[in-house]
Amino acid sequence: NAGVMQNPRHLVRRRGQEARLRCSPMKGHSHVYWYRQLPEEGLKFMVYLQKENIIDESGMPKERFSAEFPKEGPSILRIQQVVRGDSAAYFCASSPVGVEQFFGPGTRLTVL
Amino acid sequence: GENVEQHPSTLSVQEGDSAVIKCTYSDSASNYFPWYKQELGKRPQLIIDIRSNVGEKKDQRIAVTLNKTAKHFSLHITETQPEDSAVYFCAAKDGGSQGNLIFGKGTKLSVKP
Repeated sequence: NAGVMQNPRHLVRRRGQEARLRCSPMKGHSHVYWYRQLPEEGLKFMVYLQKENIIDESGMPKERFSAEFPKEGPSILRIQQVVRGDSAAYFCASSPVGVEQFFGPGTRLTVL
Repeated sequence: GENVEQHPSTLSVQEGDSAVIKCTYSDSASNYFPWYKQELGKRPQLIIDIRSNVGEKKDQRIAVTLNKTAKHFSLHITETQPEDSAVYFCAAKDGGSQGNLIFGKGTKLSVKP
């Protein structure tokens, strides 16, 4: 079992560009969560998805941010028109039944 | 919604001593409490968890206790080793949601050889 995979591991974008972050859950896991971590801080919940459904997006900003988990392929967190304040580490986690969550290595987004 | 407070924010112990990290939560409906260890630049790793129908759980040098009445839970690490140095996060599963975790702000543990 390869574990949760995320790519890219590092992403640099200029202000106004789009960032696409990908997450492949562990085999057999159908629950995906996205969290954001600022330096020296804890993880903040953003969105919870199951295949083809957004279950809870209460932690995700209403503008510029979107997430999907299609029937085939990885989950994608998309940030449009990035701003410097979007610079952070973005972690996804997967779960087989919605309890234990296992984290990926994260994508470190830097906005210039 | 759920709110999780974690203390202390930093903790320094001598190798071989015990370390205790404490968390409180606000939502009495929360029923799952994991602990994660995060080394610098790495992913959070689940090290132990406890559910609300259990008061204590132990795995080798690591133990977690839960007091549902007081709404607090603690991580205990015995015989600490330098490789235990990391940031530790507690979390609570939001009873009002379908699965997302609410994290504490973390405790940076330093174990001095």
